[in-house]
Amino acid sequence: NAGVTQTPKFQVLKTGQSMTLQCAQDMNHNSMYWYRQDPGMGLRLIYYSASEGTTDKGEVPNGYNVSRLNKREFSLRLESAAPSQTSVYFCASRTPAGGKSTDTQYFGPGTRLTVL
Amino acid sequence: SQKIEQNSEALNIQEGKTATLTCNYTNYSPAYLQWYRQDPGRGPVFLLLIRENEKEKRKERLKVTFDTTLKQSLFHITASQPADSATYLCALGDNDMRFGAGTRLTVKP
Repeated sequence: NAGVTQTPKFQVLKTGQSMTLQCAQDMNHNSMYWYRQDPGMGLRLIYYSASEGTTDKGEVPNGYNVSRLNKREFSLRLESAAPSQTSVYFCASRTPAGGKSTDTQYFGPGTRLTVL
Repeated sequence: SQKIEQNSEALNIQEGKTATLTCNYTNYSPAYLQWYRQDPGRGPVFLLLIRENEKEKRKERLKVTFDTTLKQSLFHITASQPADSATYLCALGDNDMRFGAGTRLTVKP
């Protein structure tokens, strides 16, 4: 049981390049999330997926797209990276199938992205 | 707009003392509030959840209070240890869960 896994762990991009951050969970959770964390700003929600087949914008969705590929996987895509997207990105999941929405979130180890 | 404020960016205390962290919120009517711990270079880890009808919750050396009138939660670590040094985050919301910026706690031997 690996929990929430994220790839890659580190990435350096040039301005304008694109990339996809991958996230997978093996806990049969319905909901998945993408956050970014910047110094002094805390975790900010980018997008979330309450269930397979649905996605919704969070607090800071501009410049990002997501795909809920299946129940296990939720990817985050940067189409044209900008220096302002330099951050640490965390994926999280929550709620076992049939569980209550008050269940806690489980986080992945993060992806450290630098955009030059 | 909705806000979650943890009013101390950093807190330094001596080993053995009680650490008290504060989380204030505005424009939320939360059914529950959560506290997480984050160590450097790692993702947050869940510690405690307290519901709106609970005034206080305890887990080992941790205690959380929740005052929906004051719109405030207090997080206490009693008999603190250097291993408690970390950033502590409070969180509100359901599917669109939002986090405070965190308080970095340092416990000195």
